[in-house]
Amino acid sequence: GAVVSQHPSWVICKSGTSVKIECRSLDFQATTMFWYRQFPKQSLMLMATSNEGSKATYEQGVEKDKFLINHASLTLSTLTVTSAHPEDSSFYICSPLAGVTDTQYFGPGTRLTVL
Amino acid sequence: GQQLNQSPQSMFIQEGEDVSMNCTSSSIFNTWLWYKQEPGEGPVLLIALYKAGELTSNGRLTAQFGITRKDSFLNISASIPSDVGIYFCAGQRNTGKLIFGQGTTLQVKP
Repeated sequence: GAVVSQHPSWVICKSGTSVKIECRSLDFQATTMFWYRQFPKQSLMLMATSNEGSKATYEQGVEKDKFLINHASLTLSTLTVTSAHPEDSSFYICSPLAGVTDTQYFGPGTRLTVL
Repeated sequence: GQQLNQSPQSMFIQEGEDVSMNCTSSSIFNTWLWYKQEPGEGPVLLIALYKAGELTSNGRLTAQFGITRKDSFLNISASIPSDVGIYFCAGQRNTGKLIFGQGTTLQVKP
């Protein structure tokens, strides 16, 4: 099956700092990457969609200048939470779309805690 | 953002019992998917449904794509303790975007 990795798996940072989360598709190429956020006891909410080499498209209510997405290659995408605040504490999950099968896989998630 | 209506919200059942959960939407989807999520992990795909009326099984799991394309259900037969987790339905459109249900938390008593 398809393997997706995220790094780090968890991170604790001080308010005002920036945090970068990496997502890699290890055995397939992802032309499209979706980034989700999940608050405790809630469902996954789509934050943004990015295509390799293009600017990301953000969902309504998600600040593009705060959540920077880079999809530089078909196997790597990064999400940078800039100037993080406690309300940004959440579980961030990437989801690469395998172009060949049109199947969406999910990473193991990154737990961000902002103090 | 838009969400699907998933029910029940939670279930506490005895090992060996069958489980049923469903999702409904006011709009049509091209694909329905069912995922299971365990604490601290990302969702894992259980079943994908691509055609209205489709009935698909994966071991003890059975799911159906509603005829109207606005609903889907998931059944788990003869539940076991490792079935514990949160089950999410998701509808997918042509854009590839997934819309998730609120989740059904399943607890199984041995």
